[in-house]
Amino acid sequence: AQTVTQSQPEMSVQEAETVTLSCTYDTSESDYYLFWYKQPPSRQMILVIRQEAYKQQNATENRFSVNFQKAAKSFSLKISDSQLGDAAMYFCAYRSSGGATNKLIFGTGTLLAVQP
Amino acid sequence: NAGVMQNPRHLVRRRGQEARLRCSPMKGHSHVYWYRQLPEEGLKFMVYLQKENIIDESGMPKERFSAEFPKEGPSILRIQQVVRGDSAAYFCASSPLRGTNPIYNSPLHFGNGTRLTVT
Repeated sequence: AQTVTQSQPEMSVQEAETVTLSCTYDTSESDYYLFWYKQPPSRQMILVIRQEAYKQQNATENRFSVNFQKAAKSFSLKISDSQLGDAAMYFCAYRSSGGATNKLIFGTGTLLAVQP
Repeated sequence: NAGVMQNPRHLVRRRGQEARLRCSPMKGHSHVYWYRQLPEEGLKFMVYLQKENIIDESGMPKERFSAEFPKEGPSILRIQQVVRGDSAAYFCASSPLRGTNPIYNSPLHFGNGTRLTVT
């Protein structure tokens, strides 16, 4: 079974600085998808960025980028020019590309604080 | 274009009562997922449904929990005889049926969740 591990329960960053959130996963599959979701205090789950495992190029979305290391099974999220609105819980998630379902497997999350 | 709608936002039940959580997927979405988030934990998959079919219920507790997604109307997650350990946030997500790889390429869109408190 696949597992997702986020080893940093909490992180803090100064406004305008850069922060990297770690995520590792375990799988025997060669093709899959990886995601980062943001959960602010409103509880809404917001998709931040996603990566297809068959793509070597790291995904980027504005100030958000990932460092995808397939051999190491690592999928870290980098937030550049951090803003106060980035403060939230961040979840890393894995989804198999095979099987009959589209279900996501989540890590336990990293709570990011942004200091003004 | 309304997103995934869940209601109620908050639900308080006494031990032994029944809880019904509703989820209306995004317009055009025919796949619904239910997740549970216990305090200080990530989301855990419970069940995956298409209209009138349960596709994967591997994450559902064997007793007291059931889910349905009828041809008309919202998806319902039902918890009978609630206990304190059922207190959690329950999230619904939906995805569309799209293209030749409907399952693998479509992202999940989440609702804002229902926070269930059992007293």
